[in-house]
Amino acid sequence: AQSVTQPDIHITVSEGASLELRCNYSYGATPYLFWYVQSPGQGLQLLLKYFSGDTLVQGIKGFEAEFKRSQSSFNLRKPSVHWSDAAEYFCAVGGTGTASKLTFGTGTRLQVTL
Amino acid sequence: KAGVTQTPRYLIKTRGQQVTLSCSPISGHRSVSWYQQTPGQGLQFLFEYFSETQRNKGNFPGRFSGRQFSNSRSEMNVSTLELGDSALYLCASSLSGLAGLLSTDTQYFGPGTRLTVL
Repeated sequence: AQSVTQPDIHITVSEGASLELRCNYSYGATPYLFWYVQSPGQGLQLLLKYFSGDTLVQGIKGFEAEFKRSQSSFNLRKPSVHWSDAAEYFCAVGGTGTASKLTFGTGTRLQVTL
Repeated sequence: KAGVTQTPRYLIKTRGQQVTLSCSPISGHRSVSWYQQTPGQGLQFLFEYFSETQRNKGNFPGRFSGRQFSNSRSEMNVSTLELGDSALYLCASSLSGLAGLLSTDTQYFGPGTRLTVL
């Protein structure tokens, strides 16, 4: 069965510093991978997704993620964090078959200090 | 284009009661998925509807049920509420229901309904 692990529950970075959120997946074939962000009281917003092709994926809000098959990872990065990036971030893997089931990691809460 | 809307946003119920949550997808979207989000279990898939048919179901008891109407709006029902049902229930819509498989489709989430069971 597919699964996603986000090893960091909580990360604190200073505004302007770089950010990397870790995501490891377990999947038999080529995975379809996603990063979502959830602000307090809000639903999830898609940041970026990887299906195939270039292993470096650009997303919204200045985020990018790199797919590394050899490490089963899909880490999210941002070169310079803004205070408004404080939120919870979820990595997810797409489902199989005909249904649109996403399997989510447990999330990483990002705190940004000024 | 309006996003996914969920009503009500907040709900307080007592054990044993039943509850119905509503989700209106983005116009033109035919797939609606439901997720339960709790601090302990994270985001868990409940079920997905496409063109009024349930296509996939997660590992939840039969107390959790849903339906979809011809206009793609969906409702989720939980009967005989338990304390452990307290959660944020998220609805997501997509065009084809294949957002997990097709790069051309995307799953858009609503703000959720916060259910508290006392």
